[in-house]
Amino acid sequence: QSALTQPASVSGSPGQSITISCTGTSSDVGAYDYVSWYQQHPGRVPQLIIYDVSDRPSGISHRFSGSKSGNTASLAISGLQADDEADYYCCSYTTSGTRLFGTGTKVTVL
Amino acid sequence: QAQVVESGGGVAQPGGSLRLSCSASEFSFGSYAMHWVRQAPGKGLDWVAVISYDGTNKYYADSVKGRFTISRDNSRKTLDLQMTSLKTADTGVYYCVRGHDRMDVWGQGTTVTVSS
Repeated sequence: QSALTQPASVSGSPGQSITISCTGTSSDVGAYDYVSWYQQHPGRVPQLIIYDVSDRPSGISHRFSGSKSGNTASLAISGLQADDEADYYCCSYTTSGTRLFGTGTKVTVL
Repeated sequence: QAQVVESGGGVAQPGGSLRLSCSASEFSFGSYAMHWVRQAPGKGLDWVAVISYDGTNKYYADSVKGRFTISRDNSRKTLDLQMTSLKTADTGVYYCVRGHDRMDVWGQGTTVTVSS
């Protein structure tokens, strides 16, 4: 049960677009369309921003979008804003019935 | 608004035990799978365990299997995590979370510290 692999950090200027990758295996990310993404600001509770690969919960900005190809899922943030500066985690359902989080990505708005 | 509130955190010695509880409100608790997720100080999210909506299916992370037990009481709308044989690596904030394919309601967390 190794964590899904994410880049440690990604940065961009306000208004730009960035993408965060989440790489797993055929036993997790590649097995089902059950990948979700969470945003966590420092000292705060994680918040669901994408579920089932590409669906957004009510109230989440359309600037956040998700996709998947094979064993890699991706989170894209367009029109980067200062408030997007946070840690982001992917999570996948696995063929064992367990869940697996990614290693986490720190997004910095320059 | 759906809400979950954790309790039971504290300090334990290595090899000791703690029992965490989570109380749910404002949603149909018995219709949802529930998770425990933890976060060590300055580290990332770490999934711990999940229990199905009716309690019949339970799954654990390898790191806690055989030491932790997840359970629920749908009549009381509560979720528990019995933790035994605690290790220093179990230190962190433990979150109670609602959801099956998505974790959409998180509590504020309860802190567990394992130290001699």
